[in-house]
Amino acid sequence: QKEVEQNSGPLSVPEGAIASLNCTYSDRVSQSFFWYRQYSGKSPELIMSIYSNGDKEDGRFTAQLNKASQYVSLLIRDSQPSDSATYLCAVAAWGGYNKLIFGAGTRLAVHP
Amino acid sequence: GAVVSQHPSWVICKSGTSVKIECRSLDFQATTMFWYRQFPKQSLMLMATSNEGSKATYEQGVEKDKFLINHASLTLSTLTVTSAHPEDSSFYICSARGGRGEDEQYFGPGTRLTVT
Repeated sequence: QKEVEQNSGPLSVPEGAIASLNCTYSDRVSQSFFWYRQYSGKSPELIMSIYSNGDKEDGRFTAQLNKASQYVSLLIRDSQPSDSATYLCAVAAWGGYNKLIFGAGTRLAVHP
Repeated sequence: GAVVSQHPSWVICKSGTSVKIECRSLDFQATTMFWYRQFPKQSLMLMATSNEGSKATYEQGVEKDKFLINHASLTLSTLTVTSAHPEDSSFYICSARGGRGEDEQYFGPGTRLTVT
């Protein structure tokens, strides 16, 4: 069974710090990786996608992908209380209309 | 761009009745739409995948006769919960694929269903 693993948290960081969220996946042929943010009671919002090994930066967010280690991470710089949410790692399954396999999510709490 | 809407945002219905939820891609054509369900403090659970003009593919354990999915156009998919029961009360979320990126899915705001 294809799996995506995340630490459930909560990950607590002070305001202004770097939050580091990690994710591992089991399917070696996966090609597409995503990070979604979900606030309590709301639907997920896509914040980053990454397809190639290395880093991809977008504002305060950096996604990192290492396919050899089957590892993808999300760094949030200058964390703000508004970043407090659950972060879902998702991996596109190969074939089958590329449905996404979601991790259970990591809850991030940024405290002032 | 890549906006997905859902209607209604919340609905209360009586046990035994049916409820239809609409999912629309507003600014792109969605080749594939997905339906998820999420119970409080739990992860997303994929219910089914639908492609325009073809039958939906349901995940294991999801009753296709209870959760009817119709993907009539490239911008509209509907989920009908038939003969709803209190245990069907949940947060139903659709997503659509086929926007700017190949595999990126964009989620609608969700529909909160309460069955009394």
